[in-house]
Amino acid sequence: DTGVSQDPRHKITKRGQNVTFRCDPISEHNRLYWYRQTLGQGPEFLTYFQNEAQLEKSRLLSDRFSAERPKGSFSTLEIQRTEQGDSAMYLCASSSDALLTGELFFGEGSRLTVL
Amino acid sequence: QQQVKQSPQSLIVQKGGISIINCAYENTAFDYFPWYQQFPGKGPALLIAIRPDVSEKKEGRFTISFNKSAKQFSLHIMDSQPGDSATYFCAAGEVFNKFYFGSGTKLNVKP
Repeated sequence: DTGVSQDPRHKITKRGQNVTFRCDPISEHNRLYWYRQTLGQGPEFLTYFQNEAQLEKSRLLSDRFSAERPKGSFSTLEIQRTEQGDSAMYLCASSSDALLTGELFFGEGSRLTVL
Repeated sequence: QQQVKQSPQSLIVQKGGISIINCAYENTAFDYFPWYQQFPGKGPALLIAIRPDVSEKKEGRFTISFNKSAKQFSLHIMDSQPGDSATYFCAAGEVFNKFYFGSGTKLNVKP
């Protein structure tokens, strides 16, 4: 068990470009969450999946953001036409129904800087 | 409406002292209240969590106190150590649903 893995760890892009982040959850974890964290703030919920089904999307997630979890394994978060306000740490977390508590295991995040 | 409010924003404690961080929540449907510890450049890591059917939970030097009627909960770190210096986040939510996080408390334990 290697924990939640996120790639890339750092991404610098120019305004208007598209970026994609990947998250590999802990194996056998059926739930996967995306959060966004800006400097000095707590994580903010973006969206989550149970297996391959996307169950909820935050109002924070504009139509420039899309997340997928094909086959209920890894997930991708794509941001189209990036804006400077998208600069943040994007955190992925996974959990398992078997844990009963819903404990979230976070990855180390993907830091996005939009110039 | 902010679902979880956390205070203080920063805290300086001497080694061996007690660190206390407070949180308040809005939604009475919340049934899971975790505390996360985050070091610079790392993701949050679960420290300790409590369900609303108990008023206190202790794990080593870390204790959560929970007041359901006041919709408040707090983290106590006993015998604080320099290695405890980190940012602490409280969170609240429904199990298997999304969690709402507080804004964080940056703890600095002076040697």
